Amino acid sequence: AQKITQTQPGMFVQEKEAVTLDCTYDTSDPSYGLFWYKQPSSGEMIFLIYQGSYDQQNATEGRYSLNFQKARKSANLVISASQLGDSAMYFCAMREPYTGNQFYFGTGTSLTVIP
Amino acid sequence: KAGVTQTPRYLIKTRGQQVTLSCSPISGHRSVSWYQQTPGQGLQFLFEYFSETQRNKGNFPGRFSGRQFSNSRSEMNVSTLELGDSALYLCASSLERRNSGNTIYFGEGSWLTVV
Repeated sequence: AQKITQTQPGMFVQEKEAVTLDCTYDTSDPSYGLFWYKQPSSGEMIFLIYQGSYDQQNATEGRYSLNFQKARKSANLVISASQLGDSAMYFCAMREPYTGNQFYFGTGTSLTVIP
Repeated sequence: KAGVTQTPRYLIKTRGQQVTLSCSPISGHRSVSWYQQTPGQGLQFLFEYFSETQRNKGNFPGRFSGRQFSNSRSEMNVSTLELGDSALYLCASSLERRNSGNTIYFGEGSWLTVV
């Protein structure tokens, strides 16, 4: 079974609007970390936001927030006030305990911001 | 603070050749992990090094190998290149490897084309 599932291959959003990118995960460990990365066409993976499985509040980092619903095993990324520079691939990732820095990545969502 | 540096950025090799990619982690980071990214398979974990020792390995053939030096710099080697090895190879570094909230930071990657 896939550990990380991203069901939206491509998304479009109007500039200045908010957009939600979906991510569901699968793990039996009670302790895990969830991450979102942005990958522009240059290739570099840029860390955006982190949510721990025991965190009581949803993570926020500037215009990025994570809608964490533990019971549903979902960790959706919300980008507010979209900008043209937000156009990129977005990857959801999970880190389980005892596997060091082996991250499991989803297939990604391509976001295009329309002016 | 300098980020993760990968060299070379782009290279073209012929089937059967071997290639070595280099990664310099963020200063102070002791863990280096490598990922392969292809359109078909997505992002896949290759291996992780910490304190010059391989700590974890993904499901790749023995043609893929790596090492880490005392200054935490890492190299990965692919021998007997196949067309399917064409990919973006991403290196990531982090401070440690036990905390589920530990973030990994990526370099810009090395684009390998095998012809």
